[in-house]
Amino acid sequence: DGGITQSPKYLFRKEGQNVTLSCEQNLNHDAMYWYRQDPGQGLRLIYYSQIVNDFQKGDIAEGYSVSREKKESFPLTVTSAQKNPTAFYLCASSIGGTFGETQYFGPGTRLLVL
Amino acid sequence: ILNVEQSPQSLHVQEGDSTNFTCSFPSSNFYALHWYRWETAKSPEALFVMTLNGDEKKKGRISATLNTKEGYSYLYIKGSQPEDSATYLCASVMDSSYKLIFGSGTRLLVRP
Repeated sequence: DGGITQSPKYLFRKEGQNVTLSCEQNLNHDAMYWYRQDPGQGLRLIYYSQIVNDFQKGDIAEGYSVSREKKESFPLTVTSAQKNPTAFYLCASSIGGTFGETQYFGPGTRLLVL
Repeated sequence: ILNVEQSPQSLHVQEGDSTNFTCSFPSSNFYALHWYRWETAKSPEALFVMTLNGDEKKKGRISATLNTKEGYSYLYIKGSQPEDSATYLCASVMDSSYKLIFGSGTRLLVRP
């Protein structure tokens, strides 16, 4: 089955702790994205990557970091600098190379602060 | 940052009713408009991508129209069924961009 997997489904973070959210895709897509959803708001772009070993900040990158060492993987680290990390996080991918192309989403990870 | 607005925020209809909702977006530098459907506990699923003024797309009982000059898109559902219950998201793309700017969604509940 081709698709995008995110783990874990729920993640708890203690104050001052960094946590990493996993995103893997087997669609052979070049582009990958991380979004954050807060209640009553649209999905907001955190980071995106058009190709391996390259990524760009989205609209709300502060307090987050990413890496793209492999085509199929785009992990997101929520650092202690992110003061309000409680949210639902969605990862997506797209074929790559075309403006505004369809994105395919994973099931999401809900991050809660203890 | 672009402002993409969706209305209504939520909608409750009876099975068999037809319904529609709106996505408004800035018309300047428009490139594409996406609609996604997001059922609870599932991943958002792409419905349509539209780029040209006057575009109409259809998928079963769901259709969408696009007016790029005035900056709006309508999504129509004919004869709503309980399985249509979901949040419907629209997202706008400005030219020369890979970024989708999402609205906050319209939550549809179809009562049997």
